[in-house]
Amino acid sequence: QSALTQPASVSGSPGQSITISCTGTSSDVGSYKYVSWYQQHPGKAPKLMIYNVSSRPSGVSDRFSGSKSGNTASLTISGLQAEDEADYYCTSYTTSKTQVFGGGTKLTVL
Amino acid sequence: EVHLVESGGVLVEPGGSLRLSCAASGFTLSSYSMNWVRQAPGKGLEWVSSISADSNYRLYADSVKGRFTISRDNAKNSLYLQMNSLRVDDTAVYYCARDGQPKEGRIFDYWGQGTLVTVSS
Repeated sequence: QSALTQPASVSGSPGQSITISCTGTSSDVGSYKYVSWYQQHPGKAPKLMIYNVSSRPSGVSDRFSGSKSGNTASLTISGLQAEDEADYYCTSYTTSKTQVFGGGTKLTVL
Repeated sequence: EVHLVESGGVLVEPGGSLRLSCAASGFTLSSYSMNWVRQAPGKGLEWVSSISADSNYRLYADSVKGRFTISRDNAKNSLYLQMNSLRVDDTAVYYCARDGQPKEGRIFDYWGQGTLVTVSS
């Protein structure tokens, strides 16, 4: 199972919006609504930000939103804040009932 | 409050074995599937294995299949990962993560702090 494809890095200024893409195949992202996104700060455990493509857990800011079209899912962060600077990972359930992660995207807030 | 605490990570030689443990509290372990996810130093996340709430279903990444075994003891509120024939590329922080998705699919809604496994001679 190949990893999902994410850009290695994205950046934005405070207050701006950014979008991180996550491209898979018809065997994972394209087959299910089971895409989730995780935020990871250095030395910390990952934190769930978005699940089932576009649902937000309680306590996660509504500045975070998710979507999907075909084999590509996206995470959008609006109103960028300094605390959003972190690594972001997407993951998808697969037709083999396994799980595949993206390579991760480093978000820099300028 | 949900807590997951991993333990057992150490330095081990290639070819060696190790058992990781994850102690769960703050929820009823027997109601949830559980997972192991690892992260090599400076690298991304990699799903390793999943086990259903009743232990009837166990799944593994191709990279560990045949070498790692996931298990659980709901009475002891614990999850385990038996790692055999360890390789240098198994070096990683190993996280246990709860699956918050009640049916198909997975949501890693709670994570432990991780335990570091180093495979080196």
